[in-house]
Amino acid sequence: GAVVSQHPSWVICKSGTSVKIECRSLDFQATTMFWYRQFPKQSLMLMATSNEGSKATYEQGVEKDKFLINHASLTLSTLTVTSAHPEDSSFYICSAGEGQGNQPQHFGDGTRLSIL
Amino acid sequence: QKEVEQNSGPLSVPEGAIASLNCTYSDRGSQSFFWYRQYSGKSPELIMFIYSNGDKEDGRFTAQLNKASQYVSLLIRDSQPSDSATYLCAVFNDYKLSFGAGTTVTVRA
Repeated sequence: GAVVSQHPSWVICKSGTSVKIECRSLDFQATTMFWYRQFPKQSLMLMATSNEGSKATYEQGVEKDKFLINHASLTLSTLTVTSAHPEDSSFYICSAGEGQGNQPQHFGDGTRLSIL
Repeated sequence: QKEVEQNSGPLSVPEGAIASLNCTYSDRGSQSFFWYRQYSGKSPELIMFIYSNGDKEDGRFTAQLNKASQYVSLLIRDSQPSDSATYLCAVFNDYKLSFGAGTTVTVRA
């Protein structure tokens, strides 16, 4: 089945640091990947849609200059949290699916980000 | 109105019983529907997807879709303690997935 790999799984860093998270589709190509954020005991909130070879589409309220997304190949999307602050601490999860967007999305294992 | 609504739970069922989870959605044009299971501290795992009205069965899981009522459900038969998790209903429209808040299920041994 479709496998999505996300790295790193856990990051702890100081306030002001920039953190890059990678999302890879291991056995399929993904023209579109999605980035979510999940706070404790809440559901997943879509942050942005990552499009291979073009700019990401951000959801309302998500700062595109703070959450930089790059989707340079059909198997890799990266999310960079720039100048992270404690309020950015959260569980970040990416997803990707084979074929068209209405096909099942498979999630990476997530990245737990803690900003001190 | 939220796009995807689930009964909030928590839902507690005895081992071996049927757990019934419900989900309604607001966009009548939605075409794809998914159920994910999420264990605490982990990312969501796809359980079922359904595109057409009716029932779809996979092992102990059955998804039911009624587009006229804008309703999708998940039945878990012969519930096991390992089924204890939060179940997320997701609906695809406008090129993205919208998630419900999730229903937490606890299966009592």
